[in-house]
Amino acid sequence: AQTVTQSQPEMSVQEAETVTLSCTYDTSESNYYLFWYKQPPSRQMILVIRQEAYKQQNATENRFSVNFQKAAKSFSLKISDSQLGDTAMYFCAFMNNYQLIWGAGTKLIIKP
Amino acid sequence: SAVISQKPSRDICQRGTSLTIQCQVDSQVTMMFWYRQQPGQSLTLIATANQGSEATYESGFVIDKFPISRPNLTFSTLTVSNMSPEDSSIYLCSVDTRGDNEQFFGPGTRLTVL
Repeated sequence: AQTVTQSQPEMSVQEAETVTLSCTYDTSESNYYLFWYKQPPSRQMILVIRQEAYKQQNATENRFSVNFQKAAKSFSLKISDSQLGDTAMYFCAFMNNYQLIWGAGTKLIIKP
Repeated sequence: SAVISQKPSRDICQRGTSLTIQCQVDSQVTMMFWYRQQPGQSLTLIATANQGSEATYESGFVIDKFPISRPNLTFSTLTVSNMSPEDSSIYLCSVDTRGDNEQFFGPGTRLTVL
């Protein structure tokens, strides 16, 4: 069975610092997609970044970037120059055959 | 992406009653998904709703409890039937607008059952 593990239930950093959220997954598939979603207190689930497994290059979206290590089945999210608006739950998700498998989430708090 | 709306945004219901949640998308999409997010938990897929076919339910979810309609390519409803306090959750719909495995979510419906 495919599983996604986020080992950090909660993290807290000062504004403007860089923070890395960890995610590991388990699958026997070779073609799949990985995502990071953000859920602020408003509960809206927002797609932050995606990575296709067949791409070696790590995805980046402005201040957000990933470190994708396929052999290690690791998919961490780095947030640079963190902002107060980054405070949210962050979920790592794995997709194969249109079904998303979710991690338990990491609560990220950005302190002023 | 797509603009997705859900109604109601929240509701408080009595046990034994039913609530129908609506999901409206501003573009035509083939695949729509319904998720449940229990308090402090991650998301669990309830079912996949494709227009023109019966919804496909995940293990642990049945049509009698969570009937789904998908009358056209922009709209779907999820009904939570015969509710109990254990059904208190956020219910979210999502869509894959481009068929590229990227799902976008509605704002969610917060349901509290007393």
